[in-house]
Parts: sequence; C-alpha cells; structure tokens
Amino acid sequence: EDKVVQSPLSLVVHEGDTVTLNCSYEVTNFRSLLWYKQEKKAPTFLFMLTSSGIEKKSGRLSSILDKKELFSILNITATQTGDSAIYLCAVPGAGGTSYGKLTFGQGTILTVHP
Amino acid sequence: DTEVTQTPKHLVMGMTNKKSLKCEQHMGHRAMYWYKQKAKKPPELMFVYSYEKLSINESVPSRFSPECPNSSLLNLHLHALQPEDSALYLCASSPKSGQLYNEQFFGPGTRLTVL
Repeated sequence: EDKVVQSPLSLVVHEGDTVTLNCSYEVTNFRSLLWYKQEKKAPTFLFMLTSSGIEKKSGRLSSILDKKELFSILNITATQTGDSAIYLCAVPGAGGTSYGKLTFGQGTILTVHP
Repeated sequence: DTEVTQTPKHLVMGMTNKKSLKCEQHMGHRAMYWYKQKAKKPPELMFVYSYEKLSINESVPSRFSPECPNSSLLNLHLHALQPEDSALYLCASSPKSGQLYNEQFFGPGTRLTVL
C-alpha cells in the first residue's frame, strides 16, 4: 500500500521566516508527487514534481524532489500571514486498482504570526 | 474556464432526507473524483470516474451513490445519512492521457451537516 508521511505536522513561525516542509513516500511505480495548499476550503494545486533534482519555483515557494531518497521538500521564503494554511503532499497511484487514487500525507499546519 | 464548481456550498439534512451534491468542470478533463474530508485530516478518496465510468469505489457505504451523466458533470446522491457523515465533500478533476497521471484540481467543496 502506498504511504506518504509529512513532517512536521505543525509549525509556527513569524513573518519573514523561511520554512521547509518535508514529505517522504513509499509507493510502487512512482510517477509524480504533488503539493497542495489548503486554506479554508479546497486544496489548491502548487506543484507537480516528476524529475529528481529539478527545482520548481513559484514566487516565494519552491519544491524539489529526490527520487533516490524518496522525499520532497517545499520551501517558503519570507513567509507572510497569508501563507498560513495546511500544506498537503500527495502521490498518485499508477496502475492496477490504485490508478486514479491520490494518497495524501497527514498535512503540515503552518501558522505565520505577524 | 479553469475551475471546478460545486453546489451547494453548504447543506444541512436530516437522516431521512435525500439530497444531491453537484460538481461541474469545463476543462475537458476525463477523470473526476469525490473526496470526503474531516476537520484537520487530509481528503479521503471515495470514488473515481474515468471517461464517465466508475473506476474506483473505495468501499463507500451504499447511502452514497455517485453518478456521472456526462464528461463535465458529477453528482453524489445522498440518502439515509448518519451524523458521522458530516464533512467537507470535495470534487476534483484531472486531465488523463494514456497511462500518465496528472494533477487533480479541486472544487471549493460542499460543507455537509447531517442532523
């Protein structure tokens, strides 16, 4: 069974700090890893990572995948109160009965204080 | 149109009621999903439709009945629910090309309360 583990489970920082969120995975037939940000409602898509060592970047957020060590990190620099959210890491199932299924980690609850 | 829409936003129902949740996307995505999410937990997959056919049912109780009338619409029919079914119900869609698996885009969800 596919497994995704995130750490830390919660994090409290002040505006301007830099944070690193971790996601490790154990999946059969890995194809991609996804990061989402969830505030009050639906998860919003941040990044999809498929290749090892290639950083994806969007503004102050960046993410990288290490397929050898089976983990990904999400970095947020110069955090703002608007970054407060739950950050979810997920891996899609590929093949057989798991095709189409996203396995989510538990999420990291990030709180950014002014 | 690059979003997934869901109606209603909020729903309160009794245990004997029958109601339906609706989801719509016009991005040409051929895979659509229903998730259930409890507070402070990640979404849990309920159903997957691929090319309008049910491909995954995660052992969901029969009081939840999905329907995919066409490639843009996904419904979830609810009947005789229990209070523990109260949750945020999320719809998602993804493009699907051969064996490659793409990112899922989520709708805003329906907050369901069962009394």
